[in-house]
Amino acid sequence: DVKVTQSSRYLVKRTGEKVFLECVQDMDHENMFWYRQDPGLGLRLIYFSYDVKMKEKGDIPEGYSVSREKKERFSLILESASTNQTSMYLCASSLLEGSYNSPLHFGNGTRLTVT
Amino acid sequence: KQEVTQIPAALSVPEGENLVLNCSFTDSAIYNLQWFRQDPGKGLTSLLLIQSSQREQTSGRLNASLDKSSGRSTLYIAASQPGDSATYLCAVRPVTGGGNKLTFGTGTQLKVEL
Repeated sequence: DVKVTQSSRYLVKRTGEKVFLECVQDMDHENMFWYRQDPGLGLRLIYFSYDVKMKEKGDIPEGYSVSREKKERFSLILESASTNQTSMYLCASSLLEGSYNSPLHFGNGTRLTVT
Repeated sequence: KQEVTQIPAALSVPEGENLVLNCSFTDSAIYNLQWFRQDPGKGLTSLLLIQSSQREQTSGRLNASLDKSSGRSTLYIAASQPGDSATYLCAVRPVTGGGNKLTFGTGTQLKVEL
């Protein structure tokens, strides 16, 4: 079974702090994704990566950056956290080969609160 | 722009009932449609993926159908159980936009009561 692990289930940070959300997958997937999930808005794609050191912006990249130094690890960075970044953050991965028909596998999520 | 709608937003049924969850999408140019389950405070678990060339997929008590031309998919759950209580989301993978950007519905929250 694919395992996508997010390092923290809950985080509380202060406004202006730099925040790192970590995600690791153990199935050698090339594609990795970061989503945020908010009530009434559903899941929205922040960034994705299809290879080491490669990244592409999703629908809402503002205020975020990402890092993919190793294939299994994809980090989401909030350079200066703001209260409107309080949300559930979900990491996902999928295979590149046949990628358009490869299912996404999600981690358990990190609930971030910015005060 | 692709939009995905799930109606109803919430559904409550007695245990043992067969039920259907609906998903509609506005642009039929998709690679596939995927159904997920989400338990409270958790991530998403993939249930079924239907490719655009397929009509349905089955896994245990779950059956998902796809009518791409009409922009509709249904998830059929047979003999529902309290453990099926969760939020069910559908997502389409559009052909436009590079194929890596899924568009999600906002989900149907299902409660199966004893």
